[in-house]
Amino acid sequence: AQSVTQPDIHITVSEGASLELRCNYSYGATPYLFWYVQSPGQGLQLLLKYFSGDTLVQGIKGFEAEFKRSQSSFNLRKPSVHWSDAAEYFCAVALLYNTDKLIFGTGTRLQVFP
Amino acid sequence: DGGITQSPKYLFRKEGQNVTLSCEQNLNHDAMYWYRQDPGQGLRLIYYSQIVNDFQKGDIAEGYSVSREKKESFPLTVTSAQKNPTAFYLCASTLGGVTGELFFGEGSRLTVL
Repeated sequence: AQSVTQPDIHITVSEGASLELRCNYSYGATPYLFWYVQSPGQGLQLLLKYFSGDTLVQGIKGFEAEFKRSQSSFNLRKPSVHWSDAAEYFCAVALLYNTDKLIFGTGTRLQVFP
Repeated sequence: DGGITQSPKYLFRKEGQNVTLSCEQNLNHDAMYWYRQDPGQGLRLIYYSQIVNDFQKGDIAEGYSVSREKKESFPLTVTSAQKNPTAFYLCASTLGGVTGELFFGEGSRLTVL
């Protein structure tokens, strides 16, 4: 079935540690790929997106993501996590043949310990 | 400042009552969206509109209705036919389709008593 999967429901890291959040998709063609972040009780904010070209994408707040076609993955990374990064992170896709809407994964909640 | 305003932030409703959630944007965006968010399920699309006086059903439109009479406004009505309406509702807009950036409001939390 076509889907966007975020295998980790909840991740806990120490402040200053590195972070990697996983995202896998299963669609026939590579979709447009996005990462959004949601602070508690708030709306979502776009971190970064990938359409084509360089497979390592830089985003806001020091985040980056790497597209790997062979693994159908678009993992989000940050070298050193800050306490303010605690939030919920959503991977999303837009299909090439239907860019009317975004399809979201179920999200990964990040907790940061001092 | 430009942005999306959702109201009310919190809403309580008795079973059998309709309720309307407001979404207003001053970003001059053409497309607007309503998402429902439940714990562990991510965001699911309810309705979207790409132009005034036109809208399309999303993945979970049953029990909801919308209108788009003005570019700035896209209200969502949760009707009594919605079997499980307690959720967090998010409105979003974008200028040129979802391949651009979706701008989100701060959400409305609806609780049915």
